[in-house]
Amino acid sequence: DTGVSQDPRHKITKRGQNVTFRCDPISEHNRLYWYRQTLGQGPEFLTYFQNEAQLEKSRLLSDRFSAERPKGSFSTLEIQRTEQGDSAMYLCASSPPSVTGGIGGYTFGSGTRLTVV
Amino acid sequence: ILNVEQSPQSLHVQEGDSTNFTCSFPSSNFYALHWYRWETAKSPEALFVMTLNGDEKKKGRISATLNTKEGYSYLYIKGSQPEDSATYLCAFINSNDYKLSFGAGTTVTVRA
Repeated sequence: DTGVSQDPRHKITKRGQNVTFRCDPISEHNRLYWYRQTLGQGPEFLTYFQNEAQLEKSRLLSDRFSAERPKGSFSTLEIQRTEQGDSAMYLCASSPPSVTGGIGGYTFGSGTRLTVV
Repeated sequence: ILNVEQSPQSLHVQEGDSTNFTCSFPSSNFYALHWYRWETAKSPEALFVMTLNGDEKKKGRISATLNTKEGYSYLYIKGSQPEDSATYLCAFINSNDYKLSFGAGTTVTVRA
């Protein structure tokens, strides 16, 4: 297992189009998180899964955003009808079943950078 | 929204010099504090998970201290090297919802 992988690394889309990102977590980790980072800010929590159950969604996650984690393995984050304000780095992280992320913290992917033009 | 602040926002260090920077967080409902290093085009990498007041953790030339009563943590880099250039993020976990709240980061540039 080489860590958390995210695909694609970069995505440029036109306003109004739908986009989908994928995250493959560390296989032993049952928790999976999505964060969004915009310029000059720290990562902001969007949602998290424990196994296949989506346990929490941030108010930042409007109804244009949907996340899934079928079978508790990989996860997808879809943004419908993209807007320029959706341009950001979307980070995925996974962790073992510990609220602190375990002694090793969360393991992050490299992120998907979305640019909406 | 929990207020996690990091200062300075950026700093430049001469190779070989030591430096430190701060993360401040709410002193109530503390559960844990994380430090991450995020190099350009890479993944944020966990440096430390700190849970106890007075904790001091060390990883090579990087160390961190934690004061939960006053709500701050320092990260120290001793004898900075160019490979230490990165953005250092701290993240606070509170005991209400156990979510990670990040600061905006301190970007360190080490000049050779």
